[in-house]
Amino acid sequence: TQLLEQSPQFLSIQEGENLTVYCNSSSVFSSLQWYRQEPGEGPVLLVTVVTGGEVKKLKRLTFQFGDARKDSSLHITAAQPGDTGLYLCAGPSGANSKLTFGKGITLSVRP
Amino acid sequence: DTEVTQTPKHLVMGMTNKKSLKCEQHMGHRAMYWYKQKAKKPPELMFVYSYEKLSINESVPSRFSPECPNSSLLNLHLHALQPEDSALYLCASSQDYWVIDEQFFGPGTRLTVL
Repeated sequence: TQLLEQSPQFLSIQEGENLTVYCNSSSVFSSLQWYRQEPGEGPVLLVTVVTGGEVKKLKRLTFQFGDARKDSSLHITAAQPGDTGLYLCAGPSGANSKLTFGKGITLSVRP
Repeated sequence: DTEVTQTPKHLVMGMTNKKSLKCEQHMGHRAMYWYKQKAKKPPELMFVYSYEKLSINESVPSRFSPECPNSSLLNLHLHALQPEDSALYLCASSQDYWVIDEQFFGPGTRLTVL
């Protein structure tokens, strides 16, 4: 099974700050997905990146897939309290193409 | 409609009870999933149904019994659970399974086993 490592594990920042978080693997993934999950709720799909080097923007969120398709980053500009949550990256791995999740990044944005 | 619904939202049960969790999607997705999630951990896959047939059972104890009555519905029957089974149970669906696809998650059922 291919592993996904996310960093940092926890991040607490002030409203208005910028941040970048990472999802790394030693294996190549055909695609990676980013989810945000709020406490007591299910993960909500933010984006899927498929092509090496691809950059996708979702309002203040910018997602990048590494050229070698082994890593991805999420950059948030001017973070807001509504960005608070658990950010999970996930990708298909194994013979059955099961979705493998990273351990997640807990982000807290203070007003 | 891009929604996956789950009922109930919360469930408290004793170790001798029998209960069921329900999941429904109307996106025409042919793959449906059950995940278990502990606090501050990623979801762990339990079962996968593809075209209403059980494709994957991740060595889940038999006290969890999945059922897929039709392409829109997925149930998880619970019997003789243990306190360590307390968790958030998530249902998800995707267009297909063998071609990996984006998964859409429901809001989950928060299960507490006393």
